[in-house]
Amino acid sequence: QVQLVQSGAEVKNPGASVKVSCKASGYTFTSYDISWVRRATGQGLEWLGWMNPDSGHTGFAQKFQGRLTMTRDTSITTAYMELSSLTSEDTAVYYCARGTWGTDFWGQGTLVTVTS
Amino acid sequence: QAVLTQPSSLSASPGASASLTCTLRSGIDVASYRIYWYRQKPGSPPQYLLRYKSDSDNLLASGVPSRFSGSKDASANAGILLISGLQSEDEADYYCMIWHSSSSVFGGGTKLTVL
Repeated sequence: QVQLVQSGAEVKNPGASVKVSCKASGYTFTSYDISWVRRATGQGLEWLGWMNPDSGHTGFAQKFQGRLTMTRDTSITTAYMELSSLTSEDTAVYYCARGTWGTDFWGQGTLVTVTS
Repeated sequence: QAVLTQPSSLSASPGASASLTCTLRSGIDVASYRIYWYRQKPGSPPQYLLRYKSDSDNLLASGVPSRFSGSKDASANAGILLISGLQSEDEADYYCMIWHSSSSVFGGGTKLTVL
């Protein structure tokens, strides 16, 4: 069965970076894009960007340009999302999902807390 | 003005129908877009429900019951998620999404209360 398993919760200081992993299984990793979405407490869903695991091509929401990186390691079917220059406003649950539209399978979420 | 606007909350009774709207910003024509609908329950990741562009271009996600359906109101420039036969388990946050200007954009979400 299709599964996306994310890395565990993170606590970071302002100004630091965080890297979240998303291990895919149950399907051909390079056949589907991976998207990243977050939800801060009391807020709605926010799209961060997407990556094609085959080509490595990425696309990001404009507000994250310059501080968001998405990579992958196809040998271990894992996608990564790294966000730098963290502020308290980046405190949220971060999700990876399979696909770009109609994202049908989701990771369990990774809580990233930015606090001094 | 936000690209997608959703009412912040909606209440309906069990067994009734609920119509959740997603209004596109002026200048963005709803006819041109596939609208994707998701719901999220507390403590769980979002769940993809369906996409709707037209009666000939729409798709219910696997495992989603047929009491969920999509439509559009061209006069209001809005997409609509219709849920019939409401159940207590339908209580959740519902989000619409479109692909616009090379980005996915979510609406602010509607909290549906079934009581």
